[in-house]
Amino acid sequence: EIVLTQSPGTLSLSPGERATLSCRASQSVNSTYLAWYQQKPGQAPRLLIYGASTRATGIPDRFSGSGSGTDFTLTISRLEPEDFAVYYCQQYGNSLLTFGGGTKVEIK
Amino acid sequence: QVQLQESGPGLVKPSETLSLTCAVSGYSISSGYYWGWIRQPPGKGLEWIGSIYHSENTYYNSSLKSRVTISVDTSKNQFSLKLSSVTAADTAVYYCARLKITDGTAFDIWGQGTMVTVSS
Repeated sequence: EIVLTQSPGTLSLSPGERATLSCRASQSVNSTYLAWYQQKPGQAPRLLIYGASTRATGIPDRFSGSGSGTDFTLTISRLEPEDFAVYYCQQYGNSLLTFGGGTKVEIK
Repeated sequence: QVQLQESGPGLVKPSETLSLTCAVSGYSISSGYYWGWIRQPPGKGLEWIGSIYHSENTYYNSSLKSRVTISVDTSKNQFSLKLSSVTAADTAVYYCARLKITDGTAFDIWGQGTMVTVSS
């Protein structure tokens, strides 16, 4: 089973700042199978990025994904008030899925 | 517009079987896509439970495999989750979701989630 480790656990930033979230896999992941989600309190997760770098429908271009192999990154170029939330990465391999533990982006 | 809606008991007794259904509207469940269940214990992260494709192909989280069954009812356009021998550790919000597998694998549409508490 591939384990995904997200860092940092919590990121304290101000609106307008840049956020860089990391997702590290215990073994190499096919980029096609790496996704990112955003979750706000009391809501279901929302798909942001799939295929490591493709934005889902309706996702603003301030969100971008990059990476390959075992290291992947979600970047929010300029934080808007509605971006403060928890973010999860997820991988799919050999018909099995795993999620990372999440990174909380909070207002500083 | 594709929508998913979970339903089932909000309270289950320890050692019993948790049963949830996900009704799909706006898309025929037999037309394609995988369908899956994910859960989230209070204050914790997401855990994939399992996925199903075309009724006959099921894939389960190895840590839950011995207790989980996911099935599809195409006549009702819904899919279901059964988790047996539940304990307090199974208390969580349970989500159903559609899993896209082309151009990248990800859950692109989610239900709102349903809270299930395991308690006597």
